[in-house]
Amino acid sequence: GEDVEQSLFLSVREGDSSVINCTYTDSSSTYLYWYKQEPGAGLQLLTYIFSNMDMKQDQRLTVLLNKKDKHLSLRIADTQTGDSAIYFCAESIGYGGSQGNLIFGKGTKLSVKP
Amino acid sequence: NAGVTQTPKFQVLKTGQSMTLQCAQDMNHNSMYWYRQDPGMGLRLIYYSASEGTTDKGEVPNGYNVSRLNKREFSLRLESAAPSQTSVYFCASTGTGGHQPQHFGDGTRLSIL
Repeated sequence: GEDVEQSLFLSVREGDSSVINCTYTDSSSTYLYWYKQEPGAGLQLLTYIFSNMDMKQDQRLTVLLNKKDKHLSLRIADTQTGDSAIYFCAESIGYGGSQGNLIFGKGTKLSVKP
Repeated sequence: NAGVTQTPKFQVLKTGQSMTLQCAQDMNHNSMYWYRQDPGMGLRLIYYSASEGTTDKGEVPNGYNVSRLNKREFSLRLESAAPSQTSVYFCASTGTGGHQPQHFGDGTRLSIL
């Protein structure tokens, strides 16, 4: 079945770049997502990439997609303490005309040290 | 803009008690979802409703029932709560057509003693 794998922890210093990696299994996924979860809160959509793209940049965020290796990464430039959170990678397993269901990774806890 | 609203935010139950978790969205979304989040397990889909009047099982449906009351509301019921159902429950919704991300509520933290 479909599966999404991520490393569980990442620690960086403030001002450095963070790179969070993810692998997925469903080659038919249409969209791949990154969500952010702050303590005690729900998931907030950070960014997404369509499966026919290789890269997407959105301010400090860069998403890279390697379809051949089914590898997705999220790079956060100039990481700040406010970026400390859990980051979830998710792939769509769509049905009908909508985005459909998502399969989530277990999440990567990013700790940013001052 | 409220988005997705879940009630209650916290609840403690005794084993065997029943409870309904409420979820409402004001974005006119067709699809709604219930997930549970456990430490080290990520989010797992319990049930979803692709449109008003339909519901389907997700990855972990045992011990739960759902009702899509109308387009806005999707409730999750625990008929006889068990300690294994201690978790954080999230409701989400999404529209149809093109790219439509899932929007999440803030969660219900449920403890079963």
